[in-house]
Amino acid sequence: EPEVTQTPSHQVTQMGQEVILRCVPISNHLYFYWYRQILGQKVEFLVSFYNNEISEKSEIFDDQFSVERPDGSNFTLKIRSTKLEDSAMYFCATWTLETQYFGPGTRLLVL
Amino acid sequence: GNSVTQMEGPVTLSEEAFLTINCTYTATGYPSLFWYVQYPGEGLQLLLKATKADDKGSNKGFEATYRKETTSFHLEKGSVQVSDSAVYFCALRPTGGYQKVTFGIGTKLQVIP
Repeated sequence: EPEVTQTPSHQVTQMGQEVILRCVPISNHLYFYWYRQILGQKVEFLVSFYNNEISEKSEIFDDQFSVERPDGSNFTLKIRSTKLEDSAMYFCATWTLETQYFGPGTRLLVL
Repeated sequence: GNSVTQMEGPVTLSEEAFLTINCTYTATGYPSLFWYVQYPGEGLQLLLKATKADDKGSNKGFEATYRKETTSFHLEKGSVQVSDSAVYFCALRPTGGYQKVTFGIGTKLQVIP
């Protein structure tokens, strides 16, 4: 069964540093999403991406965040200057058969 | 806006007990409804789904029925196992297009031997 993959699985960074989280969506899928889950809290929508542009973003997705599809397979989330409150699990997702399938997540810890 | 309300945990059950996790939603139209499961240290896995009223989603002994009249999608299992210990998220996706999923807060289930 096709899967969404994400790298790295864990990342530790210092406050103020830039991080790039990577996702390889299921091939031939066109809609991509990022969500985050702060430890012990609900999963929150960050942004959706279609046809090489953002189609929707939440209020969480401020100027510190950006997304792009640098090549035909990867989908990235960049946080320009990380804050302590960015520590969370970040999930990439894609659509198939009316269902969103999620990657395994990247656990980001900002110190 | 759309929202999902589910019972707060943790829920602690003995092995082979009956499980119900309540979930209600607020949305316009006829959203698709989902249950996702998150095992300790892992990502989100789709457990089951229902896309229209009166549909029953089922998987691994878990069931949930889409009740339009009560705007509910309660998760049930007749006999839980220790391996079912996880966090369960109820979620919805509005009709039309490739819209984002809205999640409930999650319910932690702990099954003890």
